[in-house]
Amino acid sequence: DAGVIQSPRHEVTEMGQEVTLRCKPISGHNSLFWYRQTMMRGLELLIYFNNNVPIDDSGMPEDRFSAKMPNASFSTLKIQPSEPRDSAVYFCASSRVEGWQPQHFGDGTRLSIL
Amino acid sequence: QKEVEQDPGPLSVPEGAIVSLNCTYSNSAFQYFMWYRQYSRKGPELLMYTYSSGNKEDGRFTAQVDKSSKYISLFIRDSQPSDSATYLCAMSGNAGNMLTFGGGTRLMVKP
Repeated sequence: DAGVIQSPRHEVTEMGQEVTLRCKPISGHNSLFWYRQTMMRGLELLIYFNNNVPIDDSGMPEDRFSAKMPNASFSTLKIQPSEPRDSAVYFCASSRVEGWQPQHFGDGTRLSIL
Repeated sequence: QKEVEQDPGPLSVPEGAIVSLNCTYSNSAFQYFMWYRQYSRKGPELLMYTYSSGNKEDGRFTAQVDKSSKYISLFIRDSQPSDSATYLCAMSGNAGNMLTFGGGTRLMVKP
């Protein structure tokens, strides 16, 4: 079975540019999570969706960050405008929503803002 | 103080050694306890998860949870160079599925 698929794997762009990260969850999973990982702060939850509806976005650092899930098989995380401090690895994870289910992670997008 | 504390390491051991990785936490509402393994430039991979207190064994890996002490452990027997990775503990409560992660412990198993 295919796991969580993220694209692009690497992104290098200049400050001020718009960045869009993409995620395809595991088929049949109806919870989706966006995380950011840095050396200083570790893994932080940014936002999560249940059945395509945003449930908790308290981890989104600023209004420059936005996330959407237009359907069960696709989500985007957008940063506009990007800043150097946004440089990090961004992970997407998915799980089933019934009861408690473990999360399965993609391999992340390594983002560098120059 | 962070909700979940984990020694960052690095922890360096010879091949075949028994490895003990640990996390402490402060939130008594945590009920589910997980260990993820993360290789360089890869996403976290779920190793094991347990509910409430007790032990769980899977091959060379054993997870222990002591809720009274707010302390969880992962033991790796007969460690192999392929076990070299960063190990992340994670926890959640019964409500919802939000995880709180420790900072990760980097493990190096030398041949």
